[in-house]
Amino acid sequence: NAGVTQTPKFQVLKTGQSMTLQCAQDMNHEYMSWYRQDPGMGLRLIHYSVGAGITDQGEVPNGYNVSRSTTEDFPLRLLSAAPSQTSVYFCASSLKAVQMTGELFFGEGSRLTVL
Amino acid sequence: TQLLEQSPQFLSIQEGENLTVYCNSSSVFSSLQWYRQEPGEGPVLLVTVVTGGEVKKLKRLTFQFGDARKDSSLHITAAQPGDTGLYLCAGIFGAGSYQLTFGKGTKLSVIP
Repeated sequence: NAGVTQTPKFQVLKTGQSMTLQCAQDMNHEYMSWYRQDPGMGLRLIHYSVGAGITDQGEVPNGYNVSRSTTEDFPLRLLSAAPSQTSVYFCASSLKAVQMTGELFFGEGSRLTVL
Repeated sequence: TQLLEQSPQFLSIQEGENLTVYCNSSSVFSSLQWYRQEPGEGPVLLVTVVTGGEVKKLKRLTFQFGDARKDSSLHITAAQPGDTGLYLCAGIFGAGSYQLTFGKGTKLSVIP
């Protein structure tokens, strides 16, 4: 099993550019989420999805869009990148919604730098 | 936004020493998890605790969940260099919440 796969692993953008971080899981998990990790800030939830066609905002959603057209994929879109979005982004999935004490499986992360 | 406070933020110890890291909140957790993250990788789940007063052991790691479900601790006995990493606690606040909130982590270095 590949688990949770994120692409790209590294990306450099200029301010104002747009891009999509890809996330795919092959475990038939219902729940998928995106976190960003910044030094001294821990992991902060951006958006999450409890199933195909259902998405919701987390703690820091501004500047990001998501969609969940299939169970497997959960892309994160940056519409107009800003230096404040420089971070390491993690996609994570769980068999069931996390409130059922499900384990979160994380990808290896995507390191984004916005100049 | 619910807050989880982890302490200490950094910890550097010699191989063979014992240590404890803490996770606290002013609100009640419906469940709490501990993760370990190594550089360049995503966090990996160590344990989930649900019941107040619960104690779980994973080899040399002992996890406790406070009776009031507002705090948790991770104790490592006879630390080894392989224990080096970032330890994160993460909690669910409210049985109906879909959000797992993470603390800022404790960065542990075990010196051979």
